[in-house]
Amino acid sequence: DAGVIQSPRHEVTEMGQEVTLRCKPISGHNSLFWYRQTMMRGLELLIYFNNNVPIDDSGMPEDRFSAKMPNASFSTLKIQPSEPRDSAVYFCASSMRYEQYFGPGTRLTVT
Amino acid sequence: TQLLEQSPQFLSIQEGENLTVYCNSSSVFSSLQWYRQEPGEGPVLLVTVVTGGEVKKLKRLTFQFGDARKDSSLHITAAQPGDTGLYLCAGEGGTYKYIFGTGTRLKVLA
Repeated sequence: DAGVIQSPRHEVTEMGQEVTLRCKPISGHNSLFWYRQTMMRGLELLIYFNNNVPIDDSGMPEDRFSAKMPNASFSTLKIQPSEPRDSAVYFCASSMRYEQYFGPGTRLTVT
Repeated sequence: TQLLEQSPQFLSIQEGENLTVYCNSSSVFSSLQWYRQEPGEGPVLLVTVVTGGEVKKLKRLTFQFGDARKDSSLHITAAQPGDTGLYLCAGEGGTYKYIFGTGTRLKVLA
């Protein structure tokens, strides 16, 4: 079975541009998580969904960040407008109860 | 705010040595997980502990959950270069919501 799929793997963009990160969770998993990882702040939970419904978005830094899960097999994380401080590795993870399975991440660089 | 502090932050040891990594909090967690992350990849779940005092073994790795469910430790026996990576603990801070620790970066030299 395929694991969690994320695209793109790398994204370089200029400040002010819109960035969309994509995630396909493992089939059958009912929870999906978006994380951000930096050297300074470690791995931070941004938002998580259960059965496609956002449950907790308290980790979303500000209004420039938004996430959607239109169906059980797809989610997006959008940053608009992007800023240099958004540079990080963004992970998507899915789970069925306690075990989270992480995707390979998207390395975002905002110049 | 629930925080998980890991120690040490960095550890460099020779192959064959033993080591222990600690994960501490002032909060009680209903369960705690340990992950290992290699460069360029996402974290991979190693173990979940749910009962205070619980000990789980995974080959050369031994995981323990504190009696009060506020802390945990990971002990590696006879470390190998393949154990190199970032070790993360994560405590359940809400239904299926895990808060990750600060991480311990381990390097095992051949």
